[in-house]
Amino acid sequence: EIVLTQSPATLSLSPGERATLSCRASQSVAGYLGWYQQKRGQAPRLLIYDASNRATGIPARFSGSGSGTDFTLTISSLEPEDFAVYYCQQRSNWPITFGQGTRLEIK
Amino acid sequence: EVQLVESGGGLVHPGGSLRLSCAASGFTFSNSWMSWVRQAPGKGLEWVGNIAQDGSQRYYVDSVKGRFTISRDNAKNSLYLEMSSLRDEDTAMYYCARILPSSSYYDCWGQGTLVTVSS
Repeated sequence: EIVLTQSPATLSLSPGERATLSCRASQSVAGYLGWYQQKRGQAPRLLIYDASNRATGIPARFSGSGSGTDFTLTISSLEPEDFAVYYCQQRSNWPITFGQGTRLEIK
Repeated sequence: EVQLVESGGGLVHPGGSLRLSCAASGFTFSNSWMSWVRQAPGKGLEWVGNIAQDGSQRYYVDSVKGRFTISRDNAKNSLYLEMSSLRDEDTAMYYCARILPSSSYYDCWGQGTLVTVSS
Protein backbone atom coordinates (compact mmCIF):
# COMPACT_ATOMS: atom_id res chain seq x y z
CA GLU A 1 0.00 0.00 0.00
CA ILE A 2 1.28 3.46 -0.91
CA VAL A 3 1.40 5.79 2.07
CA LEU A 4 0.92 9.50 1.45
CA THR A 5 2.39 11.86 4.05
CA GLN A 6 1.17 15.45 4.03
CA SER A 7 2.98 18.37 5.58
CA PRO A 8 2.56 20.47 7.51
CA ALA A 9 -0.31 19.06 9.56
CA THR A 10 -1.56 22.59 10.16
CA LEU A 11 -0.71 25.76 8.24
CA SER A 12 -1.63 29.16 9.66
CA LEU A 13 -1.73 31.99 7.13
CA SER A 14 -3.59 35.22 6.45
CA PRO A 15 -5.86 36.05 3.51
CA GLY A 16 -3.80 37.24 0.56
CA GLU A 17 -0.79 35.13 1.48
CA ARG A 18 0.57 32.24 -0.57
CA ALA A 19 0.00 28.69 0.69
CA THR A 20 2.25 25.76 -0.14
CA LEU A 21 1.09 22.27 0.87
CA SER A 22 3.19 19.15 0.44
CA CYS A 23 2.38 15.49 -0.20
CA ARG A 24 5.06 12.82 -0.24
CA ALA A 25 4.45 9.25 -1.43
CA SER A 26 6.17 6.17 0.02
CA GLN A 27 6.94 5.05 -3.53
CA SER A 28 6.59 6.60 -6.95
CA VAL A 29 3.05 7.34 -8.13
CA ALA A 30 4.30 8.89 -11.39
CA GLY A 31 1.91 11.81 -11.98
CA TYR A 32 -1.17 10.08 -10.60
CA LEU A 33 -1.93 12.34 -7.70
CA GLY A 34 -4.93 14.49 -6.91
CA TRP A 35 -5.91 17.12 -4.35
CA TYR A 36 -9.21 17.72 -2.57
CA GLN A 37 -10.57 20.47 -0.37
CA GLN A 38 -12.96 19.69 2.45
CA LYS A 39 -14.76 22.34 4.46
CA ARG A 40 -16.28 21.56 7.85
CA GLY A 41 -19.47 19.56 7.53
CA GLN A 42 -19.17 19.22 3.75
CA ALA A 43 -18.10 16.57 1.30
CA PRO A 44 -14.66 16.85 -0.32
CA ARG A 45 -14.26 18.73 -3.61
CA LEU A 46 -11.79 17.74 -6.30
CA LEU A 47 -9.30 20.54 -7.02
CA ILE A 48 -6.44 18.99 -8.98
CA TYR A 49 -6.03 15.67 -10.78
CA ASP A 50 -2.98 13.99 -12.29
CA ALA A 51 -0.70 16.34 -10.36
CA SER A 52 -1.35 19.56 -12.25
CA ASN A 53 -4.75 19.58 -13.96
CA ARG A 54 -7.40 21.80 -12.41
CA ALA A 55 -10.83 20.22 -12.11
CA THR A 56 -13.87 21.89 -13.65
CA GLY A 57 -14.72 25.21 -12.02
CA ILE A 58 -11.61 25.44 -9.86
CA PRO A 59 -10.12 28.94 -9.69
CA ALA A 60 -6.73 29.60 -11.27
CA ARG A 61 -5.20 30.50 -7.87
CA PHE A 62 -5.03 26.74 -7.20
CA SER A 63 -2.17 24.93 -8.88
CA GLY A 64 -0.46 21.59 -8.49
CA SER A 65 2.99 20.35 -9.35
CA GLY A 66 5.29 17.40 -8.83
CA SER A 67 5.91 13.86 -9.99
CA GLY A 68 7.25 10.61 -8.63
CA THR A 69 7.13 10.95 -4.84
CA ASP A 70 6.94 14.69 -4.15
CA PHE A 71 3.95 16.89 -4.90
CA THR A 72 2.85 20.41 -4.05
CA LEU A 73 -0.47 22.21 -3.97
CA THR A 74 -0.09 25.98 -4.17
CA ILE A 75 -2.75 28.58 -3.50
CA SER A 76 -1.33 31.80 -4.89
CA SER A 77 -3.34 34.30 -2.84
CA LEU A 78 -5.62 32.99 -0.12
CA GLU A 79 -9.28 33.94 -0.13
CA PRO A 80 -11.38 33.62 3.06
CA GLU A 81 -13.20 30.60 1.59
CA ASP A 82 -9.93 28.69 1.09
CA PHE A 83 -9.46 27.92 4.79
CA ALA A 84 -10.27 24.22 5.00
CA VAL A 85 -8.65 20.78 5.14
CA TYR A 86 -6.77 19.56 2.06
CA TYR A 87 -6.16 15.93 1.14
CA CYS A 88 -3.95 14.34 -1.50
CA GLN A 89 -4.91 11.03 -3.15
CA GLN A 90 -2.99 8.60 -5.37
CA ARG A 91 -4.45 6.41 -8.08
CA SER A 92 -1.21 4.79 -9.22
CA ASN A 93 -1.65 1.52 -7.29
CA TRP A 94 -4.46 -0.36 -5.57
CA PRO A 95 -5.62 0.34 -2.98
CA ILE A 96 -6.36 3.97 -3.65
CA THR A 97 -5.02 5.92 -0.70
CA PHE A 98 -5.36 9.41 0.74
CA GLY A 99 -3.00 11.48 2.82
CA GLN A 100 -3.93 12.36 6.39
CA GLY A 101 -4.74 15.97 5.50
CA THR A 102 -3.38 19.48 6.03
CA ARG A 103 -5.54 21.94 7.92
CA LEU A 104 -5.23 25.45 6.53
CA GLU A 105 -6.34 27.89 9.20
CA ILE A 106 -6.61 31.65 9.45
CA LYS A 107 -3.74 33.29 11.30
CA GLU B 1 -27.22 19.68 -11.98
CA VAL B 2 -25.18 16.62 -11.03
CA GLN B 3 -26.46 15.25 -7.73
CA LEU B 4 -25.76 12.25 -5.52
CA VAL B 5 -27.95 11.58 -2.49
CA GLU B 6 -27.07 8.86 0.00
CA SER B 7 -29.47 7.20 2.40
CA GLY B 8 -29.69 4.18 4.68
CA GLY B 9 -27.25 5.08 7.42
CA GLY B 10 -28.00 4.61 11.10
CA LEU B 11 -27.06 2.84 14.32
CA VAL B 12 -26.26 -0.86 14.07
CA HIS B 13 -24.84 -3.36 16.54
CA PRO B 14 -21.45 -5.00 15.97
CA GLY B 15 -21.92 -8.01 13.71
CA GLY B 16 -24.99 -6.48 12.14
CA SER B 17 -25.80 -5.52 8.56
CA LEU B 18 -26.85 -2.39 6.73
CA ARG B 19 -27.55 -1.38 3.14
CA LEU B 20 -26.67 2.08 1.90
CA SER B 21 -28.15 3.59 -1.24
CA CYS B 22 -27.09 6.45 -3.47
CA ALA B 23 -29.51 8.07 -5.92
CA ALA B 24 -27.83 9.76 -8.88
CA SER B 25 -29.24 12.46 -11.13
CA GLY B 26 -28.09 15.08 -13.59
CA PHE B 27 -25.70 12.85 -15.55
CA THR B 28 -25.68 9.55 -17.44
CA PHE B 29 -25.22 7.21 -14.51
CA SER B 30 -24.69 4.12 -16.67
CA ASN B 31 -21.59 5.75 -18.24
CA SER B 32 -19.79 6.34 -14.95
CA TRP B 33 -17.61 4.29 -12.68
CA MET B 34 -18.78 4.91 -9.11
CA SER B 35 -17.26 4.61 -5.68
CA TRP B 36 -17.81 4.63 -1.94
CA VAL B 37 -15.43 6.58 0.29
CA ARG B 38 -15.74 6.79 4.06
CA GLN B 39 -14.54 9.11 6.81
CA ALA B 40 -14.43 8.14 10.46
CA PRO B 41 -15.40 10.94 12.87
CA GLY B 42 -12.61 13.53 13.01
CA LYS B 43 -10.40 11.45 10.72
CA GLY B 44 -9.26 11.45 7.10
CA LEU B 45 -10.71 9.90 3.97
CA GLU B 46 -10.61 6.16 3.24
CA TRP B 47 -11.44 4.59 -0.11
CA VAL B 48 -13.89 1.68 0.28
CA GLY B 49 -14.38 0.44 -3.27
CA ASN B 50 -15.13 1.12 -6.94
CA ILE B 51 -17.57 -0.41 -9.41
CA ALA B 52 -17.46 -0.30 -13.20
CA GLN B 53 -20.25 1.14 -15.35
CA ASP B 54 -21.86 -2.26 -15.94
CA GLY B 55 -20.92 -3.74 -12.58
CA SER B 56 -18.51 -6.22 -14.17
CA GLN B 57 -15.48 -4.95 -12.22
CA ARG B 58 -15.35 -4.21 -8.51
CA TYR B 59 -12.41 -3.32 -6.30
CA TYR B 60 -12.35 -3.09 -2.52
CA VAL B 61 -9.98 -2.05 0.23
CA ASP B 62 -8.70 -5.13 2.07
CA SER B 63 -10.40 -4.20 5.36
CA VAL B 64 -13.89 -4.65 3.85
CA LYS B 65 -13.31 -7.53 1.43
CA GLY B 66 -15.72 -10.37 2.08
CA ARG B 67 -17.93 -8.13 4.24
CA PHE B 68 -19.00 -5.30 1.91
CA THR B 69 -20.49 -5.55 -1.57
CA ILE B 70 -20.92 -2.68 -4.01
CA SER B 71 -23.67 -3.03 -6.61
CA ARG B 72 -25.65 -0.81 -8.93
CA ASP B 73 -28.94 -0.64 -10.80
CA ASN B 74 -28.48 1.48 -13.89
CA ALA B 75 -32.22 1.41 -14.65
CA LYS B 76 -32.82 3.11 -11.31
CA ASN B 77 -29.72 5.34 -11.41
CA SER B 78 -28.73 3.91 -8.06
CA LEU B 79 -25.60 2.69 -6.32
CA TYR B 80 -25.61 0.44 -3.27
CA LEU B 81 -23.29 -0.67 -0.49
CA GLU B 82 -24.25 -3.86 1.32
CA MET B 83 -22.39 -4.07 4.63
CA SER B 84 -22.31 -7.12 6.88
CA SER B 85 -20.32 -8.32 9.91
CA LEU B 86 -20.00 -4.67 10.88
CA ARG B 87 -17.29 -3.65 13.32
CA ASP B 88 -16.77 -0.64 15.55
CA GLU B 89 -14.11 0.59 13.14
CA ASP B 90 -16.66 0.77 10.31
CA THR B 91 -18.26 3.75 12.06
CA ALA B 92 -17.97 6.60 9.56
CA MET B 93 -19.66 8.97 7.19
CA TYR B 94 -20.09 7.09 3.93
CA TYR B 95 -19.90 9.09 0.73
CA CYS B 96 -21.02 8.04 -2.71
CA ALA B 97 -18.80 9.54 -5.39
CA ARG B 98 -18.63 9.67 -9.17
CA ILE B 99 -15.32 8.82 -10.76
CA LEU B 100 -13.81 11.24 -13.25
CA PRO B 101 -13.65 9.40 -16.62
CA SER B 102 -10.44 7.46 -17.28
CA SER B 103 -9.22 8.03 -13.75
CA SER B 104 -9.82 7.10 -10.14
CA TYR B 105 -10.43 10.62 -8.91
CA TYR B 106 -13.78 11.64 -7.50
CA ASP B 107 -15.31 14.65 -9.20
CA CYS B 108 -18.75 14.63 -7.61
CA TRP B 109 -19.71 13.63 -4.08
CA GLY B 110 -22.93 13.16 -2.15
CA GLN B 111 -23.51 14.72 1.23
CA GLY B 112 -22.84 11.43 3.00
CA THR B 113 -24.77 9.11 5.29
CA LEU B 114 -23.57 8.31 8.80
CA VAL B 115 -23.12 4.72 9.94
CA THR B 116 -22.55 4.13 13.64
CA VAL B 117 -21.58 0.67 14.84
CA SER B 118 -22.03 0.40 18.57
CA SER B 119 -23.49 -1.90 21.18
